[in-house]
Amino acid sequence: EVQLVESGGGLVQPGGSLRLSCVGSEFTFRNYGMSWVRQAPGKGLEWVSYISSSGRPTYYADSVKGRFTMSRDNAKKSAYLQMNSLRADDTALYYCARVTSYGSGTIEFDYWGQGTPVTVS
Amino acid sequence: QSVVTQPPSASGTPGQRVTISCSGRRSNIGSNLVFWYQHLPGTAPRLLISRSDQRPSGIPDRFSGSRSGTSASLTISGLRSDDEGDYYCASWDDSLSGVVFGGGTKLTVL
Repeated sequence: EVQLVESGGGLVQPGGSLRLSCVGSEFTFRNYGMSWVRQAPGKGLEWVSYISSSGRPTYYADSVKGRFTMSRDNAKKSAYLQMNSLRADDTALYYCARVTSYGSGTIEFDYWGQGTPVTVS
Repeated sequence: QSVVTQPPSASGTPGQRVTISCSGRRSNIGSNLVFWYQHLPGTAPRLLISRSDQRPSGIPDRFSGSRSGTSASLTISGLRSDDEGDYYCASWDDSLSGVVFGGGTKLTVL
């Protein structure tokens, strides 16, 4: 069974940084794009970022562009989210999701991790 | 304000059929396929409908999806108490170069 395990969340002050990690198992990690999706307390799901299987291209939500950077290490079967200049409205549960793409403009999140919480305060 | 709109709530009794709508724009649903996700309390979100109307392996045929123009819908037949949770539509947006989620619909089984 596909597994995604996130880590790295925690409490950070406004303006601070955090690096989230996501380790995938039971699938060929290098063949899949990955994404981060977050859910703020009491709010809905918000897509954050996407990275292709090779590492490029990457895409970001406008709300995090210029502050967050997504990367991956296929040898370690891991995806990362470097979050800088954190703000209170970045407080959320951050999910890592495996992406299956059916062509341009068609990506689905077919497996999700349990999430790692980030609190900016 | 989401660029993709869903009703905030929906409800039904066990056994009933419920439909959740998802309204977008030409740049998202009007140009790209739609995906539906189920998010039950205390669990990770789960892919429910792929490519507007396809059920992934393991998803019961009680769940169905459709898309027309700039709108999509999710229908749940034979409603069960364990269907209670939040449901989200999502699509790629060509103008934003990113994925947009609907605001989510909280389904209550009365």
